[in-house]
Amino acid sequence: DIVMTQSPDSLAVSLGERATINCKSSQSVLYSSNNKNSLAWYQQKPGQPPKLLIYWASTRDSGVPDRFSGSGSGTDFTLTISSLQAEDVAVYYCQQYYSSPPTFGQGTKLEIK
Amino acid sequence: QLQLQESGPGLVKPSETLSLTCTVSGGSISSISYYWGWIRQPPGKGLEWIGSIYYSGSTYYNPSLKSRVTIFVDRAKNQFSLKLSSVTAADTAVYYCAKSNGDYSNWFDPWGQGTLVTVSS
Repeated sequence: DIVMTQSPDSLAVSLGERATINCKSSQSVLYSSNNKNSLAWYQQKPGQPPKLLIYWASTRDSGVPDRFSGSGSGTDFTLTISSLQAEDVAVYYCQQYYSSPPTFGQGTKLEIK
Repeated sequence: QLQLQESGPGLVKPSETLSLTCTVSGGSISSISYYWGWIRQPPGKGLEWIGSIYYSGSTYYNPSLKSRVTIFVDRAKNQFSLKLSSVTAADTAVYYCAKSNGDYSNWFDPWGQGTLVTVSS
């Protein structure tokens, strides 16, 4: 199985400031057929299911605010929230879908400082 | 708009079989190229993929659970179901159903609201 490791486990950022969450895979998730990375990001608010934010490491899902961006390649990836809003308080997960079983990071809890 | 909703008992006794159903609305479960999956989340913990079923009926299971898992489709009811046998307290979790595009586009969207299943005598 590909192991996904996120850092940090928790993060406190002031409103309007940048938040950065990292995700590292135990092996490359670069899909050679389309030269894209098989990496998704989700946001989970308390009592709710995860919501897809980004797939192919950097493609925002429909309706996701453009303050959310994904970057990285190979084994190292980043989710950036450019200007933190109060509604962004949540746990964020990365997920690889390069190989089965699809696996998730342990989650990063984002709070307001 | 595609929507998924889990249903089933919230309490299961140890050693028994957990059974859940996901009802799909706003679209057909027989849609070509869609996969229908189950993911679980123990209280306060992370996400674990259990398995998925293709519209054709082909199944794919997490090796860590494969010996205990069965996923099947009821096209007439537009539902797919999960059975997990010989449950223990470690199987206590919120169980989600979700759609993925499968193959090499296996991210999950949308998700159901989830249902908490507690394993206890």
